[in-house]
Parts: sequence; C-alpha cells; structure tokens
Amino acid sequence: AQTVTQSQPEMSVQEAETVTLSCTYDTSENNYYLFWYKQPPSRQMILVIRQEAYKQQNATENRFSVNFQKAAKSFSLKISDSQLGDTAMYFCAFMKPYSEKLTFGTGTRLTIIP
Amino acid sequence: EAGVAQSPRYKIIEKRQSVAFWCNPISGHATLYWYQQILGQGPKLLIQFQNNGVVDDSQLPKDRFSAERLKGVDSTLKIQPAKLEDSAVYLCASSLGRGGEGLSYEQYFGPGTRLTVT
Repeated sequence: AQTVTQSQPEMSVQEAETVTLSCTYDTSENNYYLFWYKQPPSRQMILVIRQEAYKQQNATENRFSVNFQKAAKSFSLKISDSQLGDTAMYFCAFMKPYSEKLTFGTGTRLTIIP
Repeated sequence: EAGVAQSPRYKIIEKRQSVAFWCNPISGHATLYWYQQILGQGPKLLIQFQNNGVVDDSQLPKDRFSAERLKGVDSTLKIQPAKLEDSAVYLCASSLGRGGEGLSYEQYFGPGTRLTVT
C-alpha cells in the first residue's frame, strides 16, 4: 500500500517570501501521479499542481513549482511571492494509474503573515 | 460551469441516529467519489462510482455506511447507526472518468458536509 508523509504540521511565512512544503511517499510502483491540493477554510479542495512520475521535468504553475526527486521519493512544493490568499491546508497526494484513487498525506497548515 | 454541490453543509446528530448526505457532481462527470476527512487528517476514500457502478468500496464500513448513485448522476451516502468516531467532513468529488497510463483526470471537490455525532 502507498503511504504519503508530510512532516511539517504547520508553517508560517511573511507575505512575498518563498516557502517550501515537504512531502515524501512510499510506493513500489514505477509510474504514478503526484498532486498538491489546497484546502482553504471554506473546505473546498483545489488542485494546485500535478506531476507525472515518468516526466523528469518539474511541474510549474505560475508561483507554484515542485521539486520531484523520484529516487528519493520526495515531492516538495515551492510557493514563490506568497500571498495572503495562499493561507490554507496543503495536502500532498499520490495516485496509481488506472485507479483514480487519491492517497493523501496529513497536511501542512500554511499561514501567510501580512 | 457549476461545481460539485453537496448538502447539507453541517449536520449534528446523536449517536445511533441515521444521517444522509447528498452530492450532485459536475455535469458529464462519470466518476464520483466520497471521502471521509477526520479532523487533523487527510481525506480517505470511502467509495468510488463509475457511472452507477461501484469501482472501489474497500474502505467503506459496510455494516453502517451505504452509498448509491442512481442513474449515474446524483449520489447519497448514508450512515446508520452513527458512532462518535464518524464525526468528520464528508467530501464528494467527481471527474470525467477513469484514466490510465499517462492519463489522469482531475478530481473536483465539493465544499463538504461537516458531521458532528454527539
């Protein structure tokens, strides 16, 4: 079974700074997908960024980028120029192909300080 | 495009009572998921539907939980009887379909229903 570990329960950073959230996972699969989801206080989960394991290039979406280290089974999220609206819970998630079943980590609560 | 709708947003019941949650997925989405999110944890998949058929219900406590997706559109999740440990947020999500190698469809989540069992 796959497991996802987020070792930082809480983080805070000043507005406009850069912050990196950590995620490690355990799997015997060679091909899979990794995701970062954001859950603001409204509770609605929103996809931030995704990475296919067979792609070596790290995914980027505007201010969000990942550092995907397949051999180390590490998948960190970097948020540049952080904004107050980035305050939320962030969940790392894993998915095997064909299953569409997401396995989530326990989350990191990120607070952006004005 | 309308998002995933869920109701109610909040529900408080006593243990041993029954409760039902409703979900309306995004139009055209074939796959529907119910997740349970206990406070301080990430969501855990309870059941996955493909159209009106069950794909995965391996983590659904079938002695007390049931779910259905009639006509492959709306879905209801029921708990009977409820226990204190069922207190959680119940999230519904939908996606276009089942992916495969090199293809994965994004899951869109609803706002969830917060259940408190006293």
